[in-house]
Formats: sequence, structure tokens, C-alpha cells
Amino acid sequence: NAGVTQTPKFQVLKTGQSMTLQCAQDMNHNSMYWYRQDPGMGLRLIYYSASEGTTDKGEVPNGYNVSRLNKREFSLRLESAAPSQTSVYFCASIKSNPGTGNTIYFGEGSWLTVV
Amino acid sequence: KNEVEQSPQNLTAQEGEFITINCSYSVGISALHWLQQHPGGGIVSLFMLSSGKKKHGRLIATINIQEKHSSLHITASHPRDSAVYICAAPLMDSNYQLIWGAGTKLIIKP
Repeated sequence: NAGVTQTPKFQVLKTGQSMTLQCAQDMNHNSMYWYRQDPGMGLRLIYYSASEGTTDKGEVPNGYNVSRLNKREFSLRLESAAPSQTSVYFCASIKSNPGTGNTIYFGEGSWLTVV
Repeated sequence: KNEVEQSPQNLTAQEGEFITINCSYSVGISALHWLQQHPGGGIVSLFMLSSGKKKHGRLIATINIQEKHSSLHITASHPRDSAVYICAAPLMDSNYQLIWGAGTKLIIKP
């Protein structure tokens, strides 16, 4: 099925370990995003990529790095995981629809626990 | 203070009731998104609107850009409508960054 695919779905890390969340979209979208969602809070933007080869910090970038490998893929890396990074992570991409506005597509989420 | 406020935070209703969820924002925006998040986490885009009203099935979204307010209505609500509904607005000078409401948790009882 076309859409946004992110892996892994679930991961438990020990404090200090590193890992990479993978995201890919097959819809030829330019813009891709990484969000985290914590209980009682809205989605918060970690990093985004407006187009292939560019990345920018969002609201909560500390402790994360990203890589826009090509137009399809946008990965999020935790270099040294901390318990505060326990969260649900969502990858998203945006399709621009001339005349009707943008549509946002989300991956299914990655549940990350740092112990 | 969050620049996008949703109300109510939680809403429980009986099947068949007319549902209204509100979204108010303090920043200048050109459009607003409504999204649905089901238990288990998946997020689905419902609407993006910049003026007036849009309808899709039993869902209706309205927006008044001048009053900085949008509403999502559900007619003839059904238990399968139970979900978290989220509004989000792109920053005026960028279509790439969205400001998110905290969501409204809706439970429809049979």
C-alpha cells in the first residue's frame, strides 16, 4: 500500500544506546517530518525536511539528528538515548494539492521506551 | 500558552448525538488541518480548509479565518467515531511547520 512506512514499530533501549528510526514514503512528496507525541501534549516537531538534501530543526531537536537520504527516505537518529526520549514518534509527509490545499500523511508510529 | 487551543479536551456522548469540537488559534494562519487518531495510534488527515465549510460523509468542518476559529462537527455519531481529533495550523510564513492542538478525546457510547 502506498503511504508512509516507518520502522521499527516498537523498541526498548537502554540509556546511552543509539538507534535510528527509518521512514520512507513512496508518494514523491518533497516535505517530510519527524514528530514526537507525549501524553497530554500535542505533536511536537523534531526536525523537518522541505526537500531532498535539506533539513531544519523543529521545536524539540536536542538529542536527535536526521538524514534525508533521498526524496523517499528521512531517518531520525538518537545518538545517546535518554529516558526523556521515551515517546511515540511519527513520521509524516505532505502533499501539496493545487487549489485544495495540503494533505498530511502519517506513518503508523514508533513506540520507543528508554530505560 | 498554546497557540492552538482545542475544546473540549474530552467529550463523551451517546450514539446518534451531534458532536462539535472547537479549535481556536492566536497566530495568523492561512489554513487549518483536522486529523483523527484512533486508539493504537494511527493518524489520518480529515480536512484541510482555508475558508468556509467542507463536508465528507458525516463530518463537517468549518473555519472563520478572521475570528481565528474552526469547528469539526460529526452528525449521527457512531461508536466507531471514537478517537482523538486534532487540529493543526501551518505557520503563516511557512507551509512546512504546523502548530498542533493537544487533541480532543471523543468517546461515543452505544
